Parts: sequence; structure tokens; C-alpha cells
Amino acid sequence: GDSVTQMEGPVTLSEEAFLTINCTYTATGYPSLFWYVQYPGEGLQLLLKATKADDKGSNKGFEATYRKETTSFHLEKGSVQVSDSAVYFCALSGNSGYSTLTFGKGTMLLVSP
Amino acid sequence: DAGVIQSPRHEVTEMGQEVTLRCKPISGHNSLFWYRQTMMRGLELLIYFNNNVPIDDSGMPEDRFSAKMPNASFSTLKIQPSEPRDSAVYFCASIPTQPYNEQFFGPGTRLTVL
Repeated sequence: GDSVTQMEGPVTLSEEAFLTINCTYTATGYPSLFWYVQYPGEGLQLLLKATKADDKGSNKGFEATYRKETTSFHLEKGSVQVSDSAVYFCALSGNSGYSTLTFGKGTMLLVSP
Repeated sequence: DAGVIQSPRHEVTEMGQEVTLRCKPISGHNSLFWYRQTMMRGLELLIYFNNNVPIDDSGMPEDRFSAKMPNASFSTLKIQPSEPRDSAVYFCASIPTQPYNEQFFGPGTRLTVL
């Protein structure tokens, strides 16, 4: 079945540091890929998505590129802020026709001033 | 739009009691998903509905769990009887007309079973 593997956290960075959170997936066909963010005490929010190979999703300074050859969708940001502290989830939506999501376990990011 | 609405936001109950969690999806969305989040297991899909019809409930952990969607604007997740291992955050999410990938999540209900 479909699965998503992302790096374990917490990832601890200083403000303005470069961020990479790795995500790889296993799926049949051509899934859509997502990054969701969860701030403390809140639900998940879509951060960015990519629906086909070589697409780059971007939002709020975050980027991720859909790499089919390496089955990866790594999240990057050039300069993190304290307000980026949250849990980040990589997810895929397969070909079931009902847009069900398979999530990774989440990576906590802690950014200090 | 107010987004997906869940109630209550917090629920504390004693083992053996019935618990009912409620969800109001975004107006016009026709698919609804229930998830459970725990530290040990992460996010698990419990059940999802399309046009108020349950499509897949294979994620429901056992018969103590049941979910209904009597109309397009309301769904419930019931646990009877509740057990301490049911303690988790339960999320509801909805999406508009298929095919459409992005799920919109509610703020969640934090359930504690003592």
C-alpha cells in the first residue's frame, strides 16, 4: 500500500537558518504530494502541493519539488523564522478517486531567536 | 466561510462513558473524513464519507466506534463505551466536489478518557 516516510524530529534551528525536511514515498501510479503544517493547538493546514512530476509547490517561502525518479518531496526554506515552529506533515493522495491522504508521522520544527 | 467546525474542542470523560464528537463540514463540500492523532501512531484515517455515504470504514479501530453523516452539513463520531486508550485528538476534514485533493481540517477535539 501507499506509505510516506519523513525524517524524525525535532529539528532545532536558529532563526534565519536553512531548513530541509526530507520526505520519501511509496505509491502506485501518479500520486499528488502535499505538505501540511500544524501549529500548536490547531488543525492541519495545507502548506503547499504538487500534482505531477517535476512540479514545484511553494508558499510562504517554503518550497518542495516532486521528484519521481527519487520518489521524494523534500521541504525547504531558505531562512526560517520563530513563527515557523510547528509540526510538518508530508502526505500523498493516491488514485482511489476519493482524495484520501496517507500521512507521514510528522516532523517537529523548533526555531529559536 | 467559517471553515470546518468541530465540537467540543475538549472532552474529558470516564472509562465506560459514551462520547460523541461532532463535525460541520464547509458548506458545499461533499466528502468528509475523520482522523485520529496520537503520539504513538500519528494521524490515522478512521472513516470517510462521500455524499453522506460511508465509503471506507476500515480504519475504525473496533465496534465501539461508529460514525454517521445524516446530512451534508453534519457528522458524528461516537465511542461507546470509551476506554483510556481512546485518548487522542480527533480531526474532521472536508473537501469539495471530487476530484479535488486538498483537505480542509477542523481544529480537532482533544479527548481524554480517565
